[in-house]
Amino acid sequence: KAGVTQTPRYLIKTRGQQVTLSCSPISGHRSVSWYQQTPGQGLQFLFEYFSETQRNKGNFPGRFSGRQFSNSRSEMNVSTLELGDSALYLCASSLSLWTGENTGELFFGEGSRLTVL
Amino acid sequence: AQSVTQLGSHVSVSEGALVLLRCNYSSSVPPYLFWYVQYPNQGLQLLLKYTSAATLVKGINGFEAEFKKSETSFHLTKPSAHMSDAAEYFCAVSANSNYQLIWGAGTKLIIKP
Repeated sequence: KAGVTQTPRYLIKTRGQQVTLSCSPISGHRSVSWYQQTPGQGLQFLFEYFSETQRNKGNFPGRFSGRQFSNSRSEMNVSTLELGDSALYLCASSLSLWTGENTGELFFGEGSRLTVL
Repeated sequence: AQSVTQLGSHVSVSEGALVLLRCNYSSSVPPYLFWYVQYPNQGLQLLLKYTSAATLVKGINGFEAEFKKSETSFHLTKPSAHMSDAAEYFCAVSANSNYQLIWGAGTKLIIKP
């Protein structure tokens, strides 16, 4: 079974530009979550999508947005990039069932490392 | 509000020594508790989880954790550290109706030869 795939793995942008990151979840997983990871702030939740609907949202400005497609693939977009947006962006998928063996298990991709110059 | 505190941003142990990574949580309702591990240049993977069954939970790679309600703790242990255990470990809790995970700041485990 293929894991969570994130593209691109690395990218460099300049301030003011925008970026789109892609995430393909494990086949059959309908929930996709996005996280920002930085040395200073640790792991911070961005948003979660389930069946094309945003279910939860973290405390990030409106420059951060996301969407999920009917095949469960998800994209996140960051507009007007700032230096502080440099981070590892992690996507995680899950069955979105909190019972028994499925409880709480997120499957993470390897991340997209964004550098803003 | 729920919160998770991991004591020590870095923990260093010698190969073969006991590993103890501390996690304390606050929750007004019975929680679900998790430990995830992140190896260098990789995403996170689930190490183990507590979901109100046995209080001593065994995970992968020889790790285990004990849920202690009276101490609101869920410390991670391994009897004998191996070089391959060098990674960052995250504790997480979920106890609200939408099962949103609240993450600790992470503890980097360093293994000395």
